[in-house]
Amino acid sequence: NAGVTQTPKFRVLKTGQSMTLLCAQDMNHEYMYWYRQDPGMGLRLIHYSVGEGTTAKGEVPDGYNVSRLKKQNFLLGLESAAPSQTSVYFCASSYWEGAGELFFGEGSRLTVL
Amino acid sequence: AQSVTQLGSHVSVSEGALVLLRCNYSSSVPPYLFWYVQYPNQGLQLLLKYTSAATLVKGINGFEAEFKKSETSFHLTKPSAYMSDAAEYFCAVRNTGNQFYFGTGTSLTVIP
Repeated sequence: NAGVTQTPKFRVLKTGQSMTLLCAQDMNHEYMYWYRQDPGMGLRLIHYSVGEGTTAKGEVPDGYNVSRLKKQNFLLGLESAAPSQTSVYFCASSYWEGAGELFFGEGSRLTVL
Repeated sequence: AQSVTQLGSHVSVSEGALVLLRCNYSSSVPPYLFWYVQYPNQGLQLLLKYTSAATLVKGINGFEAEFKKSETSFHLTKPSAYMSDAAEYFCAVRNTGNQFYFGTGTSLTVIP
C-alpha cells in the first residue's frame, strides 16, 4: 500500500524557473493538503482541497498554485520560483472530517538558487 | 483562529528518564488534537490523537497524552526514554474547517 507519494523528492531550481510537485494518494481520501516545513517554523499550510475540483488557500499561499483535477492527485505549482521558496514540501491527505488524521508523504526538498 | 504552542524547541532527557513534551492550544470549542513524530529525512507519522472519547490517549511506542480542557493542554509523555525516541515531535489541531494547524515542533534528544 503506497499511501501518499510525492514526486520529485529533490529538485534544484534557478530563480524565476517554474515547476510542479505531484502528490498522489491511493486511500480514496477526500481531503488533501500541501505544507511547507522550515526550521523553527513547524509546518505551514499552503493550499488544501476538500474534494475533486476544489482548492482553498491556507496560511502561506502566495507564490503557489494548486489543482485537483482527479481525486487522487493534488499538484502544487511554482510559476516563478524565489529563494524564499527553498523548503521541504509535504503533501498530506485525510479520509474524513473531525478526528481523521493526516497521512503524510515523505517530502520534497526544493532548493531555489 | 486556532493555534498550537509547543513549549521548548529542544528537550534533552537521559535514556530511561521520563519524557514530557508540552503542547497548549487555543480554541473556542473542544478540538481534535494530534501528536506526530518526524524522524530525520522522513515524513510525519501519527503518534496518537484525541477524539473526545477519553481524556487519556495512548499511542504507539509507549507514548500517551492527556487532554486537559481547563488548562487547554495536550502534553505528550513517555515513562522511559529510548535512544530510538530521538526525533522531532509536532502537536497539531484540526478545526471544523478541516484545516490542521501545527506547532513549531520540539526536538527530542536522548542522552545515553
